[in-house]
Amino acid sequence: NAGVTQTPKFQVLKTGQSMTLQCAQDMNHEYMSWYRQDPGMGLRLIHYSVGAGITDQGEVPNGYNVSRSTTEDFPLRLLSAAPSQTSVYFCASTWDRESTNEKLFFGSGTQLSVL
Amino acid sequence: RKEVEQDPGPFNVPEGATVAFNCTYSNSASQSFFWYRQDCRKEPKLLMSVYSSGNEDGRFTAQLNRASQYISLLIRDSKLSDSATYLCVVNDGGSQGNLIFGKGTKLSVKP
Repeated sequence: NAGVTQTPKFQVLKTGQSMTLQCAQDMNHEYMSWYRQDPGMGLRLIHYSVGAGITDQGEVPNGYNVSRSTTEDFPLRLLSAAPSQTSVYFCASTWDRESTNEKLFFGSGTQLSVL
Repeated sequence: RKEVEQDPGPFNVPEGATVAFNCTYSNSASQSFFWYRQDCRKEPKLLMSVYSSGNEDGRFTAQLNRASQYISLLIRDSKLSDSATYLCVVNDGGSQGNLIFGKGTKLSVKP
């Protein structure tokens, strides 16, 4: 199994550009999520999904859109990139978020720089 | 904002030392507690879950004190390979069980 696959690993954007960060998992996980990690900050939840067709906002959703058309894929869209969105982005998934003591599986991350 | 607080470190210890990390959380409704490990420029990975009765996995021992809203991680006989950032993670107590991550404590084990 590949686990959680994120692409690209690195990306440089100019302010105002749009792009999509891809995330796919092959473990039939119901729950998928996107986090950003900034220096001196903990991982912060951007958006999450508890199943195909269902998405919800996390702690820092502004400037980002998500969709969940299939169980496997959960892309994150930056509509108009801003320097404040320079960060490392992680996608994570697990079987069922309503259960406790669930292990989150993370992708390898995307380093995004917005100039 | 629901908070998870950790000492950022860094903790610089010699091989073989015992080191302890502490974490406090603000939401009394939290039900799930974890320690994750993150190596430099890598993704976080689950180290261990933390149970009310305390639990041990080899050289690692985790403790939970619900009354004080406090979690600890003890590492005995530190190895060079233990060098990493240790993240305290707590669920937000909501129906979706989203996780809140602390900023992490950096550990550096020296020869």
